[in-house]
Amino acid sequence: DTGVSQDPRHKITKRGQNVTFRCDPISEHNRLYWYRQTLGQGPEFLTYFQNEAQLEKSRLLSDRFSAERPKGSFSTLEIQRTEQGDSAMYLCASSPSPTGGLPGETQYFGPGTRLLVL
Amino acid sequence: RKEVEQDPGPFNVPEGATVAFNCTYSNSASQSFFWYRQDCRKEPKLLMSVYSSGNEDGRFTAQLNRASQYISLLIRDSKLSDSATYLCVVKGGSTLTFGKGTMLLVSP
Repeated sequence: DTGVSQDPRHKITKRGQNVTFRCDPISEHNRLYWYRQTLGQGPEFLTYFQNEAQLEKSRLLSDRFSAERPKGSFSTLEIQRTEQGDSAMYLCASSPSPTGGLPGETQYFGPGTRLLVL
Repeated sequence: RKEVEQDPGPFNVPEGATVAFNCTYSNSASQSFFWYRQDCRKEPKLLMSVYSSGNEDGRFTAQLNRASQYISLLIRDSKLSDSATYLCVVKGGSTLTFGKGTMLLVSP
């Protein structure tokens, strides 16, 4: 399967614990995005990387959240001191870089990591 | 005002019906527009891009009206397998902004 993969698919944790999620993008895609989706809502943008550089972060990304993409390939999203409000589906997406001044290709999503904070 | 607004539905239609979804967006500088489909507890998947000239893909037709900041999706001859949530998506810069989605339920 050459699509976006995420690990784990499900995570249950207790409030106050730290969790880390991994995303492996489509191999030739330079851009990697993290989104969060709660029940009844569309996905909400968290942050994105072009290669290893983190280019944009949403206001949703509090100090407890950190994302890395150290070698420009896979990415990790860590949530420290989890809260019940962090319970959501965390989606990763990837896309190639835009060319020719065009807005760029669309984004392809992984299956998500479903987090439940008790 | 939310950046991307959709009627959440659900739209309940019989097989074979034609159904239309609408969406409005607030940022006039938005550059690209899409419809994504999301099945229950699954990731969003691209259904189609939306162009100003309108575009069609089989039973699906998408339209964009930049002046009114309005996007539509028309599904003809609905199938049971079309049951899903349809997400209106607007791209400005590098990030996607999603609507809450419109749920479609197609019944036999």
